[in-house]
Amino acid sequence: RKEVEQDPGPFNVPEGATVAFNCTYSNSASQSFFWYRQDCRKEPKLLMSVYSSGNEDGRFTAQLNRASQYISLLIRDSKLSDSATYLCVVNGEGGADGLTFGKGTHLIIQP
Amino acid sequence: NAGVTQTPKFQVLKTGQSMTLQCAQDMNHNSMYWYRQDPGMGLRLIYYSASEGTTDKGEVPNGYNVSRLNKREFSLRLESAAPSQTSVYFCASSESPTGREKLFFGSGTQLSVL
Repeated sequence: RKEVEQDPGPFNVPEGATVAFNCTYSNSASQSFFWYRQDCRKEPKLLMSVYSSGNEDGRFTAQLNRASQYISLLIRDSKLSDSATYLCVVNGEGGADGLTFGKGTHLIIQP
Repeated sequence: NAGVTQTPKFQVLKTGQSMTLQCAQDMNHNSMYWYRQDPGMGLRLIYYSASEGTTDKGEVPNGYNVSRLNKREFSLRLESAAPSQTSVYFCASSESPTGREKLFFGSGTQLSVL
C-alpha cells in the first residue's frame, strides 16, 4: 500500500504565530495532492489543493517538492479557529480510488 | 444547501446484527464513496461508485456491501456486524472519479458493534 506520512503532533502554537508541517509520500508517480481540514468529531473538508508551483490562499500556503516527495502547509498569523487536524491526501493511482489519506497532524492554537 | 447527507449519526449494534447506512447527495455528482476512519489511521476506502450503475471495491471491502440506488443515493450494508467494524463511517461524493477533484463528505456515522 502506498504510504502517506504525517507528524501526528499535537503542534501547540501561540495565536498569531506561523506554523508549518510536512507530509511525505512514497509513490513517486503521485499526481494530485490536497490538504483537508477536520475538526473534532466532524467530517473532513477541503482546505486547498497543492499545485506544482505552490499556491497560496489567504494565510495558507501549500508547496510541493517532487524531488523529496513531500508537501507542506504553512499557516501565517494563526487564529484560534485554525485549531483542527490537517489531513494530507495524495492521489497515486490516477483515480479517486487511489486517494491515500494521511493520519493527520493535530494543531492547537493557544490564546 | 444540504450537500451530502448520511444517516444515522449514531448506531450501536450487537455482533451479528445487520444494518444499512444511507447516503444521499444533492450536487448531481457522478461519483460516491464510503470511507471508514479509525483512531490512529487515515481514512480508508471501503467501496466506491464511479458513476451510476457501477460499484467497485476499495481498500477494505470485506464484510460490507453497497448499492448505488440512483445517481443521488449510495448505501452501505453490514450483513453481519463484527466488533472490528466499530468505526466512524463517512460517505463522500465528487463530480468525477479522477481523484483530482474536491471530495464532499457527509457528517459521519459513529458505529459501535458490541
